[in-house]
Amino acid sequence: AQKVTQAQTEISVVEKEDVTLDCVYETRDTTYYLFWYKQPPSGELVFLIRRNSFDEQNEISGRYSWNFQKSTSSFNFTITASQVVDSAVYFCALTYNSGTYKYIFGTGTRLKVLA
Amino acid sequence: EAQVTQNPRYLITVTGKKLTVTCSQNMNHEYMSWYRQDPGLGLRQIYYSMNVEVTDKGDVPEGYKVSRKEKRNFPLILESPSPNQTSLYFCASRSGGQSYNEQFFGPGTRLTVL
Repeated sequence: AQKVTQAQTEISVVEKEDVTLDCVYETRDTTYYLFWYKQPPSGELVFLIRRNSFDEQNEISGRYSWNFQKSTSSFNFTITASQVVDSAVYFCALTYNSGTYKYIFGTGTRLKVLA
Repeated sequence: EAQVTQNPRYLITVTGKKLTVTCSQNMNHEYMSWYRQDPGLGLRQIYYSMNVEVTDKGDVPEGYKVSRKEKRNFPLILESPSPNQTSLYFCASRSGGQSYNEQFFGPGTRLTVL
């Protein structure tokens, strides 16, 4: 079965704390793609990052970093020195090439950064 | 400006009254998709389309229809809406056959079915 699990429903941190959002996926396919999207309080969905199954390099973009580990089927997202503007719902998503082109999203993690 | 547009943004209707939510993109994208977002359930894919006249079911297609007669448009049709279709709906598009490409999302349509 193809599945994405974001076990953390809601996380609250104080500004400047580091926070990690967990994403665990399941797929039968050897070729697949993982994404993170951000949904701020205004409601739009904003693309953050993508990874393919053959690229396990971690990535850093400013205060954001992503850790992709195939051995644990995880694609975790860390925000360093969080800011109030990071408050949002974050979704992890999976798609795969097996004759269908579906997307599977996790249930999302709501991050609240308190001033 | 590259964008995905949806209309209407808000809609309140009654059970059984057919409605259409339009989706249009100006990026010449081949792939388009519809999602619904419900509390605690995240985004769930309703239907997607790989290109004109090519559509397929997502995970929650029951009660919905789609069509793709033109590349830029992908309307979502609710023939007989029911209260359990009250939700926030998003349309999305991405380029090409490459699943690696990110999706661009519309602003969302909040539908209430009484």
